[in-house]
Amino acid sequence: SQQGEEDPQALSIQEGENATMNCSYKTSINNLQWYRQNSGRGLVHLILIRSNEREKHSGRLRVTLDTSKKSSSLLITASRAADTASYFCATRDPGTGANNLFFGTGTRLTVIP
Amino acid sequence: DTAVSQTPKYLVTQMGNDKSIKCEQNLGHDTMYWYKQDSKKFLKIMFSYNNKELIINETVPNRFSPKSPDKAHLNLHINSLELGDSAVYFCASSTRLAGNTGELFFGEGSRLTVL
Repeated sequence: SQQGEEDPQALSIQEGENATMNCSYKTSINNLQWYRQNSGRGLVHLILIRSNEREKHSGRLRVTLDTSKKSSSLLITASRAADTASYFCATRDPGTGANNLFFGTGTRLTVIP
Repeated sequence: DTAVSQTPKYLVTQMGNDKSIKCEQNLGHDTMYWYKQDSKKFLKIMFSYNNKELIINETVPNRFSPKSPDKAHLNLHINSLELGDSAVYFCASSTRLAGNTGELFFGEGSRLTVL
């Protein structure tokens, strides 16, 4: 299976704290993407990091990528209650010739006001 | 303006029935997808389709079939529904234009409950 894994499965923090989620994947990649899913809603793209990048920032989001370990992390700084959602990493295997994105198992983040 | 819209949002039906979920995107994208999200939130690709090729995840039963009347639509037909088909089905789209990273745009999901 090309599906990645994320840990922790669930994370509960206080508002203002930082939240770190990790993702491991199995195949070679061109890029790795992070998505957010609010309860009962569709997924929304957050940030993308290319395979030749090691770190990327977007607002309160920081993503790292270690292709040697096939892992990535998403850090949300100064968390807010509105950050409560599930977060998924997604990869596309360039070797398959397909355009399909394969998603990790997700981390459910709860930010307590 | 909704970019990717799917209907119905909720669908409750009996085992053995045939049902369809519709999806439309107004982004001008050339590739559309169907994903299944189970009760544990696992997202699994079912199909990807552009006007040239249909790529089917080999684990998807042939009771599931995508139908695309045009580039902006990809409907999902399910025959002989089973209890295990209960899930949330997401439609998504992307573009393969050069330089695009393949970000997916998702619909809001269709929750299917088979009784």
